[in-house]
Formats: sequence, structure tokens, C-alpha cells
Amino acid sequence: DTAVSQTPKYLVTQMGNDKSIKCEQNLGHDTMYWYKQDSKKFLKIMFSYNNKELIINETVPNRFSPKSPDKAHLNLHINSLELGDSAVYFCASSRTSGGNNEQFFGPGTRLTVL
Amino acid sequence: QKEVEQDPGPLSVPEGAIVSLNCTYSNSAFQYFMWYRQYSRKGPELLMYTYSSGNKEDGRFTAQVDKSSKYISLFIRDSQPSDSATYLCAMNDYKLSFGAGTTVTVRA
Repeated sequence: DTAVSQTPKYLVTQMGNDKSIKCEQNLGHDTMYWYKQDSKKFLKIMFSYNNKELIINETVPNRFSPKSPDKAHLNLHINSLELGDSAVYFCASSRTSGGNNEQFFGPGTRLTVL
Repeated sequence: QKEVEQDPGPLSVPEGAIVSLNCTYSNSAFQYFMWYRQYSRKGPELLMYTYSSGNKEDGRFTAQVDKSSKYISLFIRDSQPSDSATYLCAMNDYKLSFGAGTTVTVRA
């Protein structure tokens, strides 16, 4: 059974389009995250939700809008895609939002904007 | 200056060698120190986690934290080709901040 799953795995799209990435976790965790990993492998947090409430919102363009319909799901919608949005996007979850909680990562969604 | 600095390598070692990885940090608020391993085209997975200064050992892996110097290390003894991956240090205050990751190749 996959613990944290993301769809799609690959996404190739044109500049200016709008796209969504979905994430689901079956671990019963309260907290979920979106990370962006650039071409140099640098992994940076974008958002975090705890029990469907936004608790971390790093400096991310407002073209990116996360949505958590329930605590097992966290989706990411991106409007007006730009070349610089090309990256691998990882969803993760942890038992709670405390600093000592292990985060479990999904397999990633490789987004390419042409 | 980034909060967490990590030499991205790459690092190539022969099988059986000791691999030494390290990170420095600037934020004194960091309390939890972790090492994640990321295989190619996969998500990161937690390898080691420490809270206080000192050493923590788990099989062939040893994590060291020196809070006074703001320096953490990961050692891999008797390295195997299956250890070939990118290793990311991570530190936590209210959010997890990652180093750039060091790509390690262990040659058979």
C-alpha cells in the first residue's frame, strides 16, 4: 500500500496553462506539505496544512493555491504556469506539525513547462 | 546566505570506503536534525534523526551533531553500491529546512 501518493507523476504543459497536482496519504496523519525541488536538488517548503488548516505559507507566488478538502488530501493548483515553475513537486505528511515528526514523502510530480 | 549549507558534491567512493557528509547552519532555533536519503527519481526518506549534540548510531550509519559549532555530520561505514543516492540534511524549528543535498556514488 502506498503511504503518500501523488498524481500525475509527470506533467508537461505550455506556459500560461493552469494545472493541478493531487496528493493523498493513508497514514492517518494530521499534517501535509508541498515542497518544490529545483534542478539542483534543492528542496524548499511551499505550504503546510494541519487538519485542513493552512499553517505554513512560504513566499510563494499567489498563482499557487493549495486546497485541503480533508486531512488525507492536499491538492496544489497552479495558474498561468511559467517556465520557472518547472521542477519536481513533492507532497509529504507527518503525524503532527511538531518539529520532531518524521515526514513521509510522495514519489514526486515532475512538472515541465514549455 | 542560506540557513543550511551543504556541499552538493558529487562524491564518488569505492565500495567499502567511509563516506563523510556534513552540513553547517546559521539558525540557532534549529532543534531537530535529520538526514534524508533520496534515490534517483524517488521522494526523500528519513535515514537518521537526532535532537541533542552528540553521536547517534544505526547500523553502518552514524549521525553527529555539534550545536556549539552549528555543524552536523553523517558517516556511512563499509559503503555499498546500494548507498548511492543523494543525502540531504534537514533541520527543524517550525518548518523543515533542507541542505542542497550531496550526491554520493559508491563504485563496486
